[in-house]
Amino acid sequence: QVQLQESGPGLVEPSATLSLTCTVSGGSISRGNSYWSWIRQRPGQGLEYIGYIYYSGNTYSNPSLGSRVTFSLDTSKSQFSLRLNSVTAADTAVYYCARDPGYGEPLDYWGQGTLVTVSS
Amino acid sequence: EIVLTQSPGTLSLSPGERATLSCRASQSVTSGYLAWYQQKPGQAPRLLIFGASRRATGIPDRFSGSESGTDFTLTISRLEPEDFAVYYCQQYGTSPYTFGQGTKLESK
Repeated sequence: QVQLQESGPGLVEPSATLSLTCTVSGGSISRGNSYWSWIRQRPGQGLEYIGYIYYSGNTYSNPSLGSRVTFSLDTSKSQFSLRLNSVTAADTAVYYCARDPGYGEPLDYWGQGTLVTVSS
Repeated sequence: EIVLTQSPGTLSLSPGERATLSCRASQSVTSGYLAWYQQKPGQAPRLLIFGASRRATGIPDRFSGSESGTDFTLTISRLEPEDFAVYYCQQYGTSPYTFGQGTKLESK
């Protein structure tokens, strides 16, 4: 059973960089065709797909976030990470990491989510 | 991007009743790559249905999905108390993957 767990600061100052890490257990992060994904949910709102890093290192980010997003993969630690720069209050959300096992597959395993608040 | 519009916004039903939730796509969803998720307060979404009509592992057969063109439906045949939650549809065939705004299923 694959398990994912987000970690990172719960409070980030405006204009700073939000950094989150997702630790994967129960499965290899570097094998298969998995897309390691990030999704966020603003308070009281719906879900927004942020993007993913492929097991090979290729990435995709939602155009709505422009060039503010970067992803990385650390296979030695079975972790993948999200960095979102120049944050504003609009980036306050619960951030989820999730696994997409391959193109044409849905998000099957999710982390529990972590709330990040952007405030001074 | 593909916009998914869910209706109704809120659905009030009683246990034992049948629930029908709708998700309409603004354009064709590639290969029917449409999923339904259930989310309870303070929890991550849980995959229920994928490929428009295939149940995920461990999902009771009272949950079913169907597709007609750009219209997708999630049906819960007989509501159990644990089914009251928010339901989201998501298309994962065309980037950026998008979610509907959700339908809240509440107990009457």
